[in-house]
Amino acid sequence: DGGITQSPKYLFRKEGQNVTLSCEQNLNHDAMYWYRQDPGQGLRLIYYSQIVNDFQKGDIAEGYSVSREKKESFPLTVTSAQKNPTAFYLCASSIVGGQEQYFGPGTRLTVT
Amino acid sequence: GNSVTQMEGPVTLSEEAFLTINCTYTATGYPSLFWYVQYPGEGLQLLLKATKADDKGSNKGFEATYRKETTSFHLEKGSVQVSDSAVYFCAAESGGSYIPTFGRGTSLIVHP
Repeated sequence: DGGITQSPKYLFRKEGQNVTLSCEQNLNHDAMYWYRQDPGQGLRLIYYSQIVNDFQKGDIAEGYSVSREKKESFPLTVTSAQKNPTAFYLCASSIVGGQEQYFGPGTRLTVT
Repeated sequence: GNSVTQMEGPVTLSEEAFLTINCTYTATGYPSLFWYVQYPGEGLQLLLKATKADDKGSNKGFEATYRKETTSFHLEKGSVQVSDSAVYFCAAESGGSYIPTFGRGTSLIVHP
């Protein structure tokens, strides 16, 4: 079964700690994306990558970092510099030049 | 850049009622238009799409028609079910970036 997996579903961290969210896809898609979702604010793009070893900042990249060492994987690190990290994080993928995105189930991060 | 405006929710309906969720967009050129659905605690799934003016996308009883003259892509369903309760996102993609712009989402609550 092809798809996108995100783990874990729920993640709890103390303030000041970095945390890495996992995203893996077996759809053979070149492009991958990270979004942040807050209540009433829709989806905001954090980072995206259209090819291995290359990625671009989205609208709200400050306090986040990514890597794209393999086509299948696009982990997101939420650093201690992110002022308000508690949110629902969604990973997505698509073919480059394709139109629809395929989303993972999301990771809910709570930082206290 | 593109922008997408959706009607604010929540939209609350009784089962078998008619549904309309309004979506308008501003975009360069001729965008592709999408409706995604997000069930509680899950990622987004593509519901339907349309890629050119006057196209009608349809899926699972939902429909939306690409209206270039009114820059709209309203979502409709003739008879909603309790299982349609979810958040619906309108999105537009154009300009060669292959990254969609999402609306803020509209929550639909269907009562038995």
